[in-house]
Amino acid sequence: AQKVTQAQTEISVVEKEDVTLDCVYETRDTTYYLFWYKQPPSGELVFLIRRNSFDEQNEISGRYSWNFQKSTSSFNFTITASQVVDSAVYFCALRDKETSGSRLTFGEGTQLTVNP
Amino acid sequence: ETGVTQSPTHLIKTRGQQVTLRCSSQSGHNTVSWYQQALGQGPQFIFQYYREEENGRGNFPPRFSGLQFPNYSSELNVNALELDDSALYLCASSWGAGLNEQFFGPGTRLTVL
Repeated sequence: AQKVTQAQTEISVVEKEDVTLDCVYETRDTTYYLFWYKQPPSGELVFLIRRNSFDEQNEISGRYSWNFQKSTSSFNFTITASQVVDSAVYFCALRDKETSGSRLTFGEGTQLTVNP
Repeated sequence: ETGVTQSPTHLIKTRGQQVTLRCSSQSGHNTVSWYQQALGQGPQFIFQYYREEENGRGNFPPRFSGLQFPNYSSELNVNALELDDSALYLCASSWGAGLNEQFFGPGTRLTVL
């Protein structure tokens, strides 16, 4: 069965620090997608990135970067030079073909607080 | 904004009552998925509707049911409400039932007293 683990429940940093959010996943499928979503206090889940299981190339988008390593089943997310507006709950999610409906399996989330 | 809308924003019900939540998908999307997010937890998949048919269901009892209409909007119905049903209910729309991105609405906050 699929499982996503975000071991960090809460992280608190000071503005301009770099912060890495960890995500470890489990799946028996060879074809799957990994996602990161941001959930600000308003509640809406904001899509940040999708990576497929065949593409281990790391990606950088502005202050955000992602490190996907199949060998360790990890998909970590780094925010460089964090800002107060980055404060939110961040969810890692997995989507595969193992079960019907192409459901997203979410981790428990990491609450990131960036202090000024 | 994703273009996915949900109504109502907030709802308060008492135990044993029934509730209907609504979701309008993003233009061009034909798939709607529903998730329940309890306080402090990640969203849990309830079910998905693709072209008006249920296309996968999570570990939720039959009192959670749904519909999808020809315009691809969707309803989530919950009968015999329990206290543990208090949560944020999120719907997500996507194109097709495969591995495309799901775009989430703002959610409906349900409180059961």
